[in-house]
Amino acid sequence: DTAVSQTPKYLVTQMGNDKSIKCEQNLGHDTMYWYKQDSKKFLKIMFSYNNKELIINETVPNRFSPKSPDKAHLNLHINSLELGDSAVYFCASSQGSGGNYNEQFFGPGTRLTVL
Amino acid sequence: GDSVTQMEGPVTLSEEAFLTINCTYTATGYPSLFWYVQYPGEGLQLLLKATKADDKGSNKGFEATYRKETTSFHLEKGSVQVSDSAVYFCALSDFNKFYFGSGTKLNVKP
Repeated sequence: DTAVSQTPKYLVTQMGNDKSIKCEQNLGHDTMYWYKQDSKKFLKIMFSYNNKELIINETVPNRFSPKSPDKAHLNLHINSLELGDSAVYFCASSQGSGGNYNEQFFGPGTRLTVL
Repeated sequence: GDSVTQMEGPVTLSEEAFLTINCTYTATGYPSLFWYVQYPGEGLQLLLKATKADDKGSNKGFEATYRKETTSFHLEKGSVQVSDSAVYFCALSDFNKFYFGSGTKLNVKP
């Protein structure tokens, strides 16, 4: 059973297009995250949702819009894709958002390539 | 603000060598500390964790001790294998935020 799954695994698209990445977790966690990993492996948090409510919204262009239909899903929609959006995007989940003990579980990543 | 600093890589070792990857942190509260590992083409996996000062996390031969006095959480392994080649991330959790280090790539040669 996959704990945190993402689709698609690879996404190749043209500049200016709009695309979505989906994430689902079956761990019963109440907090989910989106991260962007650049070519140098640097990991940057983008968003975090707790029980469908946005709790972390880092400095990210407003072309990126997360949507959480329920606490098991957190999707990422990207409008007007740019070359600099090319990266690997990771979804993660954890239990609880207020404690210090809650390790995050990561999905396999979505490699986005913008041409 | 909170942050994590880890040694730059890549680190290249021969099989059975001793490994140390340094990690230091700054935090306003009392964070939990983690090491994650990312194998090529995969997502991050939790390797070990420590939730309070002097705790030692261990897994798969890797160890790290939470040192509050030096604000460090260095990763060690006594004898690395080729299969340990990966990128290692130090991280801390402080309330509702996670902070990751920049990652250290480890290459182990046969």
